[in-house]
Amino acid sequence: EDQVTQSPEALRLQEGESSSLNCSYTVSGLRGLFWYRQDPGKGPEFLFTLYSAGEEKEKERLKATLTKKESFLHITAPKPEDSATYLCAVDSWGKLQFGAGTQVVVTP
Amino acid sequence: AAGVIQSPRHLIKEKRETATLKCYPIPRHDTVYWYQQGPGQDPQFLISFYEKMQSDKGSIPDRFSAQQFSDYHSELNMSSLELGDSALYFCASSLFSSIHEQFFGPGTRLTVL
Repeated sequence: EDQVTQSPEALRLQEGESSSLNCSYTVSGLRGLFWYRQDPGKGPEFLFTLYSAGEEKEKERLKATLTKKESFLHITAPKPEDSATYLCAVDSWGKLQFGAGTQVVVTP
Repeated sequence: AAGVIQSPRHLIKEKRETATLKCYPIPRHDTVYWYQQGPGQDPQFLISFYEKMQSDKGSIPDRFSAQQFSDYHSELNMSSLELGDSALYFCASSLFSSIHEQFFGPGTRLTVL
């Protein structure tokens, strides 16, 4: 069975303090790994799709990387507006299997 | 850019009542997915449709049913509501030809009293 594990569960950062979120996965055949951002009470907002090991994608202060067993979401010099829950998901034959998420709080 | 539209945004029902949630996908998207997210939990897949046909089924209770219509909008029908059905219900849509990237709506918050 496909499994997605995210760590840490929660992360508190000072503004400007870079850090990384981890997403470990076991899947029978990776068709895509996704990162979403979710604000409280709102729908997940699509960030990145990664398809193969070695792939990297960037968007503003976020950079996602992928290996054969895990993905990292690097947050560089975060700002308070980067506070959110970051969800990792794998494509499990058309449906998304999510991890439990990492709740990130960035303080000024 | 147009996004996924869900209605209503909030719904309060009594136990054993019925609820209908609606989802309007991004224009030209032909695939719709429904997810349920309980408090503090990650979204759980319920069901999906492609070209008006059910394409996959997850942990959807038998009390729930869904369909996709000719204009690609979808409805999730929930009967005999239970307290445990209180959750956020998200709809997502994608282009089947690009089946990987699912874009989510704002959700419907269902509260069962």
